[in-house]
Amino acid sequence: DSGVTQTPKHLITATGQRVTLRCSPRSGDLSVYWYQQSLDQGLQFLIQYYNGEERAKGNILERFSAQQFPDLHSELNLSSLELGDSALYFCASSQLDGSVNTEAFFGQGTRLTVV
Amino acid sequence: AQTVTQSQPEMSVQEAETVTLSCTYDTSENNYYLFWYKQPPSRQMILVIRQEAYKQQNATENRFSVNFQKAAKSFSLKISDSQLGDTAMYFCAFIPPYGQNFVFGPGTRLSVLP
Repeated sequence: DSGVTQTPKHLITATGQRVTLRCSPRSGDLSVYWYQQSLDQGLQFLIQYYNGEERAKGNILERFSAQQFPDLHSELNLSSLELGDSALYFCASSQLDGSVNTEAFFGQGTRLTVV
Repeated sequence: AQTVTQSQPEMSVQEAETVTLSCTYDTSENNYYLFWYKQPPSRQMILVIRQEAYKQQNATENRFSVNFQKAAKSFSLKISDSQLGDTAMYFCAFIPPYGQNFVFGPGTRLSVLP
């Protein structure tokens, strides 16, 4: 158990709909990362938050948005869903204490299927 | 831009044998961190091993060890005494200090054959 919790584990929704994926980082971790992994593909970085603030953006579509709340949990919002958005969405957390990065600990992922 | 390359999309090894997975990266940073992650069929991402670039000694974790060649920007993973449970996708990853993003390679699919 990595200590990172993602909900839901599975999500099936129709095209055009909006969904919210939730992530609770490990206790003490301030940094949260979101990654998208399509079938048999690598991990595509979407966005990073650190202590409530957006720190870096990757290849995140305008239809997608995220935020990190004061209790450090994060949500990834996906709207106007398309079939191509079907993927495994990972959340990861790390300490990022300002002087050194530690490894990223990954949640189990949310498997999103758009039909 | 920092990039990570894994030139072996797929590999196979016989049980109990040794296999080496390759990884190269590109960065202008002097200090950074490198990782190998394993993704078994369950698709959970599991940290296998990490290496700090300022440490010359290669990291080891039980049957897993790395060959870190800083000048060549190479970071290979050696798995000794391969087990069926080692069957997985293996991702090499990089992050500089104060880095904003873990950069992952495309992965190597390893199959351990009985």
